[in-house]
This record gives sequence, C-alpha cells and structure tokens, in this order.
Amino acid sequence: DAGVIQSPRHEVTEMGQEVTLRCKPISGHDYLFWYRQTMMRGLELLIYFNNNVPIDDSGMPEDRFSAKMPNASFSTLKIQPSEPRDSAVYFCASSFRRAETQYFGPGTRLLVL
Amino acid sequence: ELKVEQNPLFLSMQEGKNYTIYCNYSTTSDRLYWYRQDPGKSLESLFVLLSNGAVKQEGRLMASLDTKARLSTLHITAAVHDLSATYFCAVGSSGGGADGLTFGKGTHLIIQP
Repeated sequence: DAGVIQSPRHEVTEMGQEVTLRCKPISGHDYLFWYRQTMMRGLELLIYFNNNVPIDDSGMPEDRFSAKMPNASFSTLKIQPSEPRDSAVYFCASSFRRAETQYFGPGTRLLVL
Repeated sequence: ELKVEQNPLFLSMQEGKNYTIYCNYSTTSDRLYWYRQDPGKSLESLFVLLSNGAVKQEGRLMASLDTKARLSTLHITAAVHDLSATYFCAVGSSGGGADGLTFGKGTHLIIQP
C-alpha cells in the first residue's frame, strides 16, 4: 500500500487566499484524522471522521476552517480566508480501527504570507 | 481535559548509554502510542500500548504502560546515533466520540558518538 497520501506537499499563499489541503487515506481504513503541528502548540487534533462522517471537530480553530470527506478515499481541509497564523504543517492520518495504529501522511507544509 | 506531559523535553546522551523518557497523562485512557519524528519528516509509529502492564520491544527501544499510575516509559538501551530524533507519546481518551489523540510536546533526543 502507498500509505496515506497528501497534497500538496508545500503551499505558499498570501493572506486572504483560500487554501485546500487533500488527503487520501489507506484503503480500508475507517478513521481519518487531521492534525496540525506548530512550534508553539505542538501537534493538535483538528477534526476526525469515522466512515466518512465527521465525529469531533472541536479542535478546528475557527469558522475559517472546514473539512469534508465525500467518500472513503478522499478528504479535504479548507481554510478560507487564510491568515499568517495558519502557517503550520498539516498532517492527515488514518487507522483501521479505533484502537489501532494511526498512520500519518507526509504532511503539507503551509506558509501564509 | 486530557493533558499529556513528557519529560525530559530535550536529551543529549552518548552512544552506548541507557536512558528513559517518561510520559504522564491526566485522565483515564485506553490506549497509548509512541511515535518517532525525524526533522522535516512525518511521524512514524513505534508502539501501541492497550492494557495495563503492556510491554513492547523493538530493537533498542522498549515501551511500557502503567494505567494505574497513568505513566508510560520509553527505554533506550545502548543508544546509537541513528536513534537521534524527536519522540512523541500520544494518548487516546476513553470516552465515546473521542478517538483522536492528544500528544505530548515531544522529547528531542540527540545521541552523540
């Protein structure tokens, strides 16, 4: 299996622009997670899905952030409008079951100028 | 709110020495994970610990879990330079609808020849 796939790997944008991050989980995995990593706040859970349904979005910073999972093999995390404080590495992870290993994708390094 | 504390946050040690990283967490959990992250890379799963007294070993790394003390340890035996990385513990809450992980701040480990 190719593992969790994320795109783009790097994104540089200007404040106010819309940013869309994409994730393809490992085939057959029922859980998909979005995490964000910054120097100041470390690794934080933003939102997760079970069987394509959003379960907990309490970690989403504000209304500028939204996430969807239209099918079992694709999820998006959108930021609109983007701000410099959104600069971070965004990781997508997936797992087969709840209490099993969460496999992380390579991450998207986002820089908002 | 689940809090996860790791210590030390920074560790410089010599090859051949043994050391232990500690991970304390604040509320009941049914699973604990250890991850490794190399600079600029994603997170690599090392261990998943699911029950009190669980012990897992892979090469020079051994992880254990004491759910009563809410403590996990990652022990490094006869360290080698290749183990230099940042190590994270992550804890899952026991409650329903709480399948995401809460991460510690990470232990930045440097192993000097």
